[in-house]
Amino acid sequence: GAVVSQHPSWVICKSGTSVKIECRSLDFQATTMFWYRQFPKQSLMLMATSNEGSKATYEQGVEKDKFLINHASLTLSTLTVTSAHPEDSSFYICSTQPSGRNEQYFGPGTRLTVT
Amino acid sequence: QKEVEQDPGPLSVPEGAIVSLNCTYSNSAFQYFMWYRQYSRKGPELLMYTYSSGNKEDGRFTAQVDKSSKYISLFIRDSQPSDSATYLCAMKPGFGNEKLTFGTGTRLTIIP
Repeated sequence: GAVVSQHPSWVICKSGTSVKIECRSLDFQATTMFWYRQFPKQSLMLMATSNEGSKATYEQGVEKDKFLINHASLTLSTLTVTSAHPEDSSFYICSTQPSGRNEQYFGPGTRLTVT
Repeated sequence: QKEVEQDPGPLSVPEGAIVSLNCTYSNSAFQYFMWYRQYSRKGPELLMYTYSSGNKEDGRFTAQVDKSSKYISLFIRDSQPSDSATYLCAMKPGFGNEKLTFGTGTRLTIIP
């Protein structure tokens, strides 16, 4: 398998503030990383696909100015939720696809609560 | 109609039983199939990865793909309470950076 970490695992922030979530591939390089959000008892919803060194591709309905994604290196991608609101409270999960391989490996997730 | 259909359950079986989890799909272009296990408040964990039709076994887990029927299965033998989780099927058409299409997940409980 492949090891993916996320930081923080849990964060509470006030409405109107911004929160940054990091996703790291620990034992491989990942040209492509994916960001998902998951509401309770629902499946994963893809938010965006990021490729190292280029702009992320956002899914329909996902605001790119609100969910800023940076994939600056082959082992790190960040998701910044800007001007967070209570409806942004969710479980955010990243996944990575090791270079040259086809399967995706997921991080442990970050639980965001906006008060 | 969703591209991937998966019975959400919940499914409860006694410890030691054989569990059968299934997904059907409509897009004949799908060629790569994955099964993930997700515990509550955790990220999904890759269990099985298969290409095209056929069977693949790994320990107590067997993944089966029937492309002619557009039907995939995951079998769990000698089920354990630690297998209690939500199981997600996922698939994609090609080898590359294409996104995965997920089923809704089946919530499984193994009763001791």
